[in-house]
Amino acid sequence: ILNVEQSPQSLHVQEGDSTNFTCSFPSSNFYALHWYRWETAKSPEALFVMTLNGDEKKKGRISATLNTKEGYSYLYIKGSQPEDSATYLCAFSDTGFQKLVFGTGTRLLVSP
Amino acid sequence: NAGVTQTPKFRVLKTGQSMTLLCAQDMNHEYMYWYRQDPGMGLRLIHYSVGEGTTAKGEVPDGYNVSRLKKQNFLLGLESAAPSQTSVYFCASRPQGQPGNTIYFGEGSWLTVV
Repeated sequence: ILNVEQSPQSLHVQEGDSTNFTCSFPSSNFYALHWYRWETAKSPEALFVMTLNGDEKKKGRISATLNTKEGYSYLYIKGSQPEDSATYLCAFSDTGFQKLVFGTGTRLLVSP
Repeated sequence: NAGVTQTPKFRVLKTGQSMTLLCAQDMNHEYMYWYRQDPGMGLRLIHYSVGEGTTAKGEVPDGYNVSRLKKQNFLLGLESAAPSQTSVYFCASRPQGQPGNTIYFGEGSWLTVV
């Protein structure tokens, strides 16, 4: 069973704060790590897919890093805005590349 | 461009009733997935398919059956619904091959079993 863990479970920050979340995954047989942004009643929205150790991706104020040797990825949000409020999910694929196993998510609330 | 379409979007069932959720994708993707989402549990994989005519069990397959008779469709069946199957169900698809391929999700199906 592939175990993907995310922390913290929830986070409440003020507008303008920068924040980060962690996704931990098995360090063996790594194939890809995905980050999604998910708002209630909507489809998860793809943010990043990372495949190489040391990968860094950026999309506006959101960025992510990947360490496949130790099995973790960080997602950073710089200058959080209320519209960033959502659940952030990571998902892991092993070398079988068939299953995609999700973490339980980090729920972010940004107050004005 | 429809992408991934799920039907129905909402359904209320009585315990013991059966129903089928349909997932259709128009992107010619090989892989398709059914997940359920419950509070505090993230997305849990029910069943998946790596091609037409093939299916495999995920993390929580009990109480569900699936079929992939056509490449574009992936059906999730509940033979005898139970209250524990009250959940939001998401279908997803992605192309075969490269690890960097994005997964595309449907908009979810809200199922309540009373």
